[in-house]
Amino acid sequence: AQKITQTQPGMFVQEKEAVTLDCTYDTSDQSYGLFWYKQPSSGEMIFLIYQGSYDEQNATEGRYSLNFQKARKSANLVISASQLGDSAMYFCAHLTLISSGSARQLTFGSGTQLTVLP
Amino acid sequence: DGGITQSPKYLFRKEGQNVTLSCEQNLNHDAMYWYRQDPGQGLRLIYYSQIVNDFQKGDIAEGYSVSREKKESFPLTVTSAQKNPTAFYLCASRGTPLLNTEAFFGQGTRLTVV
Repeated sequence: AQKITQTQPGMFVQEKEAVTLDCTYDTSDQSYGLFWYKQPSSGEMIFLIYQGSYDEQNATEGRYSLNFQKARKSANLVISASQLGDSAMYFCAHLTLISSGSARQLTFGSGTQLTVLP
Repeated sequence: DGGITQSPKYLFRKEGQNVTLSCEQNLNHDAMYWYRQDPGQGLRLIYYSQIVNDFQKGDIAEGYSVSREKKESFPLTVTSAQKNPTAFYLCASRGTPLLNTEAFFGQGTRLTVV
């Protein structure tokens, strides 16, 4: 089974500062995708950013950027200029292409609870 | 409005009973997924399906069953064999097999065994 590891159960950051949330993955596949989702206390899952294994540039979406280091199998999320509304659970997810005819397996890490302090 | 609808939002089950969670999408998505989330924990994959009449077990399929008779529907049955079913259940779908297609999620069903 594919494995996604988020080693920070909880993180604190001061409002307006940047924060990095760690994610490492374990795969022997050459072709895969990496996603980050945000889950507020309401429980909904909000898609933030995507990085493909063949993408040479790090992905960016507004205040979110992904520090992708393929050789280290890491895909850390960087949130710049943190806001109080950023307080939530953040999940890293890994998508693999399995043999033809099968679904694409989407596996999530255990998450990091981010708290932004005023 | 296109989206994924999970029902009910809250569900109570007596021990020993089977219960079915509904997941319907009108996004015309091929792939659908079921996840279980325990308090303060990540999402664990139960079952997933790429096409109608085909599905695969995820990491924690024991005690659960699914069907995919229609493209838009992917119900999950929590059987009496699932010893600790109290959890938050999330259904998701993806529109294409391409890697860069994100998953869309329903609002979840919170199941409690009483």
